[in-house]
Amino acid sequence: AQRVTQPEKLLSVFKGAPVELKCNYSYSGSPELFWYVQYSRQRLQLLLRHISRESIKGFTADLNKGETSFHLKKPFAQEEDSAMYYCALSGPTSGTYKYIFGTGTRLKVLA
Amino acid sequence: DTGVSQNPRHKITKRGQNVTFRCDPISEHNRLYWYRQTLGQGPEFLTYFQNEAQLEKSRLLSDRFSAERPKGSFSTLEIQRTEQGDSAMYLCASSHRDREDNEQFFGPGTRLTVL
Repeated sequence: AQRVTQPEKLLSVFKGAPVELKCNYSYSGSPELFWYVQYSRQRLQLLLRHISRESIKGFTADLNKGETSFHLKKPFAQEEDSAMYYCALSGPTSGTYKYIFGTGTRLKVLA
Repeated sequence: DTGVSQNPRHKITKRGQNVTFRCDPISEHNRLYWYRQTLGQGPEFLTYFQNEAQLEKSRLLSDRFSAERPKGSFSTLEIQRTEQGDSAMYLCASSHRDREDNEQFFGPGTRLTVL
């Protein structure tokens, strides 16, 4: 079954603390993994995609095929990072372009 | 505005009524997606178009739901005989076929409340 699991509904950290939002997936094939972020009253927007291996706003995510994980990390959280974060996968190499989303993790960065 | 737009932003209707939502994708995008999001859940895929062809439909899309993209540009999602369980945020997204990474751009959503 194709599935994305985000085990934490809510993650609270203090400003300056490291952050790790977990994402595990189940997919038979070669998925593409994404992290989307939704700030308060804004639309979903792309934060990271695994194929570009980039760092955005200090966030990084590495695809671990052995552990089927794509955890999102940031060494020092900022208050403006408070938002809802969704992990998603698609399988374009299999002709599957839809996204399968996790249930999301709300990150709260405390002052 | 070059982003994905959706209308209306909010819709309140009574059970049993029909509703229609519109999505205007980014102009050069040939793929268009509809998702539904309920409280506490991530978006769930409903259906997907490439140009005017509807290529995939979720089992979530019951017979009361129909989507069209008549000229490969804007799309409409119609729900007939609405039920309270249809209350949700309906999201539209678009992407460009030639992008290797399949990045999808999302609209602001239409929030449906069925009384």
